[in-house]
Amino acid sequence: DQQVKQNSPSLSVQEGRISILNCDYTNSMFDYFLWYKKYPAEGPTFLISISSIKDKNEDGRFTVFLNKSAKHLSLHIVPSQPGDSAVYFCAAIVYTNAGGTSYGKLTFGQGTILTVHP
Amino acid sequence: SAVISQKPSRDICQRGTSLTIQCQVDSQVTMMFWYRQQPGQSLTLIATANQGSEATYESGFVIDKFPISRPNLTFSTLTVSNMSPEDSSIYLCSYTIWGTGTNTEAFFGQGTRLTVV
Repeated sequence: DQQVKQNSPSLSVQEGRISILNCDYTNSMFDYFLWYKKYPAEGPTFLISISSIKDKNEDGRFTVFLNKSAKHLSLHIVPSQPGDSAVYFCAAIVYTNAGGTSYGKLTFGQGTILTVHP
Repeated sequence: SAVISQKPSRDICQRGTSLTIQCQVDSQVTMMFWYRQQPGQSLTLIATANQGSEATYESGFVIDKFPISRPNLTFSTLTVSNMSPEDSSIYLCSYTIWGTGTNTEAFFGQGTRLTVV
């Protein structure tokens, strides 16, 4: 059961334009959603997150939008730069507190390869 | 945020052998997570490691194959035992910082690229 889905395996964008990466989910219990960028031979780099009680979060060139009714989130990168070319993963967490310890396991989408052309 | 150092960064191993991957965090974290990324696939959680208790494994992963140690709040190891070519993957450790509102973040080590021949 793929609870987090990125249906577009790849996206190609011209430098300076907007990149829109999409993600759908099925579990309404997710509390947070996160976006990561990953280069080959490196660990994922955290970009931005959003709580399920919000519908937008912005950090510099990155904006994440959450539509809970549609169970859909998107990452907007504007303006896109060639250095943004990487694999982008969306991930979701169910927040758990057990014995005073807070934790949550990440469930990842399949990833979208973004290529930004100069 | 704490820095995670993971090693080795890569290794080529013979089938039937075992490899232990180390993850060091420069500050104390309660829960650490181990993930696997098989070629062309997404990241899949192997287990959750809490200091002072046995790791909790996800469906499809067992302790005999992936024993985990968590001796203190800054260190964890994952061992890939009796390796086969199907174990060739990138293995990653991670921890989460819980913020308020939109500030929740999760950080990863650099990954260990394992090739089993």
